[in-house]
Amino acid sequence: GQNIDQPTEMTATEGAIVQINCTYQTSGFNGLFWYQQHAGEAPTFLSYNVLDGLEEKGRFSSFLSRSKGYSYLLLKELQMKDSASYLCAVRDYSGGYQKVTFGTGTKLQVIP
Amino acid sequence: GAGVSQTPSNKVTEKGKYVELRCDPISGHTALYWYRQSLGQGPEFLIYFQGTGAADDSGLPNDRFFAVRPEGSVSTLKIQRTERGDSAVYLCASSAGTSRRNNEQFFGPGTRLTVL
Repeated sequence: GQNIDQPTEMTATEGAIVQINCTYQTSGFNGLFWYQQHAGEAPTFLSYNVLDGLEEKGRFSSFLSRSKGYSYLLLKELQMKDSASYLCAVRDYSGGYQKVTFGTGTKLQVIP
Repeated sequence: GAGVSQTPSNKVTEKGKYVELRCDPISGHTALYWYRQSLGQGPEFLIYFQGTGAADDSGLPNDRFFAVRPEGSVSTLKIQRTERGDSAVYLCASSAGTSRRNNEQFFGPGTRLTVL
């Protein structure tokens, strides 16, 4: 099974940079996702990492270290609309199955 | 439609009743997932379909829960003898596949189930 840990809440200032960490333990790692979820809405895809390193997409970047079971999501030039929950999710492949397990999410509040 | 749709958007039922929740994935998407989400929690995996078959149903909490996808498109999540603890938002997601290039999951708006 998987164990996914991420901070419950974070606060950051508009225009700043924030890093949201995620650690995981899994037996058959096959990729890590980051999703954004605004209150009352469905999650929307941000990034996917399966190899070590940094993936950059506009203001958002995601990093993965498989040996450390660690990922982070980096948000630059924060905007008020970035206030949301950020979900780390791990795909696990074992026994012929592929399951995606989500963490509990990090609620980010962006303040002026 | 352009995205994943789910019906109904809200369902209120009484304890012990049977409910069906429907998911229409993005056309052509072979992979379909069901999750449920409680307030303040991340989505909890229930079941994953690849085509018509359930590739992984290990997340279904017990035998009151069942899901089908008979033609490899629309899926129905069925809950028998509902309990108050089943109250949650049930999310459906689909993806074009499961390889690195096409495994982005697109979520529907969810069905909010309330069991009284």
